[in-house]
Amino acid sequence: AQRVTQPEKLLSVFKGAPVELKCNYSYSGSPELFWYVQYSRQRLQLLLRHISRESIKGFTADLNKGETSFHLKKPFAQEEDSAMYYCALNSANTGNQFYFGTGTSLTVIP
Amino acid sequence: DTGVSQNPRHKITKRGQNVTFRCDPISEHNRLYWYRQTLGQGPEFLTYFQNEAQLEKSRLLSDRFSAERPKGSFSTLEIQRTEQGDSAMYLCASSLLPGTSGDTQYFGPGTRLTVL
Repeated sequence: AQRVTQPEKLLSVFKGAPVELKCNYSYSGSPELFWYVQYSRQRLQLLLRHISRESIKGFTADLNKGETSFHLKKPFAQEEDSAMYYCALNSANTGNQFYFGTGTSLTVIP
Repeated sequence: DTGVSQNPRHKITKRGQNVTFRCDPISEHNRLYWYRQTLGQGPEFLTYFQNEAQLEKSRLLSDRFSAERPKGSFSTLEIQRTEQGDSAMYLCASSLLPGTSGDTQYFGPGTRLTVL
């Protein structure tokens, strides 16, 4: 079975502090992992995907197959980072279904 | 093209009625996805199309749910004999494969369904 777990429903950090949003997955094949973000009153949008290995808005995420994790990190949080973040997995090997975690609401305190 | 659009944005219906939602993807996107999202949960995959072909359907999806994409452009999602448990936000997303950005999904604003 494919599962995506985001253990923190709510996360608050002070502006300028480092932030890490946790994501763990279970999948028997080679996963394709994503982070999606939803800002207030906006639609869900892609933040980054692991195969791109890029930094978007200062965020990075590294796929750790040994720990089956794909944590999202940013060294210095900004107020505009406050949003809902969803980790997602694409089971491309078994039919291309997408599985989303339950999301983490990040609040950056000024 | 301003992105994925969904209509209606809100729908209130009585239990037992049928409802239909429409999704217009980004033009030339060949993949179209439907998701359902309830409060406090992430989007739950329902089904997806590659052009007009429905290639995957969640095993959790009731037979009351049906989706079509007749010409490979817009898609409709119909729920028959609605139940209160169907109350949720229904999201549509589209993507283009193959493409340089992979299966990057662009989401619509969603249709919020309330079943009384």
